[in-house]
Amino acid sequence: NAGVTQTPKFQVLKTGQSMTLQCAQDMNHNSMYWYRQDPGMGLRLIYYSASEGTTDKGEVPNGYNVSRLNKREFSLRLESAAPSQTSVYFCASSPGGGGNYGYTFGSGTRLTVV
Amino acid sequence: QQQVKQSPQSLIVQKGGISIINCAYENTAFDYFPWYQQFPGKGPALLIAIRPDVSEKKEGRFTISFNKSAKQFSLHIMDSQPGDSATYFCAPRGTGGFKTIFGAGTRLFVKA
Repeated sequence: NAGVTQTPKFQVLKTGQSMTLQCAQDMNHNSMYWYRQDPGMGLRLIYYSASEGTTDKGEVPNGYNVSRLNKREFSLRLESAAPSQTSVYFCASSPGGGGNYGYTFGSGTRLTVV
Repeated sequence: QQQVKQSPQSLIVQKGGISIINCAYENTAFDYFPWYQQFPGKGPALLIAIRPDVSEKKEGRFTISFNKSAKQFSLHIMDSQPGDSATYFCAPRGTGGFKTIFGAGTRLFVKA
């Protein structure tokens, strides 16, 4: 009963370095999401994937890229990290885009860019 | 583009009291109105949700009240317990299903 698994849990990067955040879900959900959480700002959508093979921009996509590798996995890449990308990143999934259900979230990746 | 306003930012309640958190939204194209609960170091977890054709939904000690004309919905926690101490987010979802807008969060502390 893993749900949504994110790796790594913590990461420190130097400005300009790149990295990929990994996310996998085992609930056979069609849709997956990447959010960032900053103090006092709630969660903001970076990218989402409505279904396998599709990705779309959210509210704050600049500086990020995503890959929906298969139905289970959705990764987030920072090509050239900046201090403004210091945040906690959450991956989430849902059965689809509507219906009477919310999102299942992972436990997050705490990223610090120095 | 502040579409969701959540209040208060923080709340302290005595054990056994009622906690009330409010959410006001601007966009009428929302079709699902959930509340999420987040404990430190964890991801948010769906707590309770309501559809716009219903004015109230109760699950145990948790109740959502929905006022469509006022574009507001609120979370009521009855008989609040120290274990309810967490951050709560309202997060209305846009029609089409993929654009959920989170409020800024309310930090609730229940005093024993």
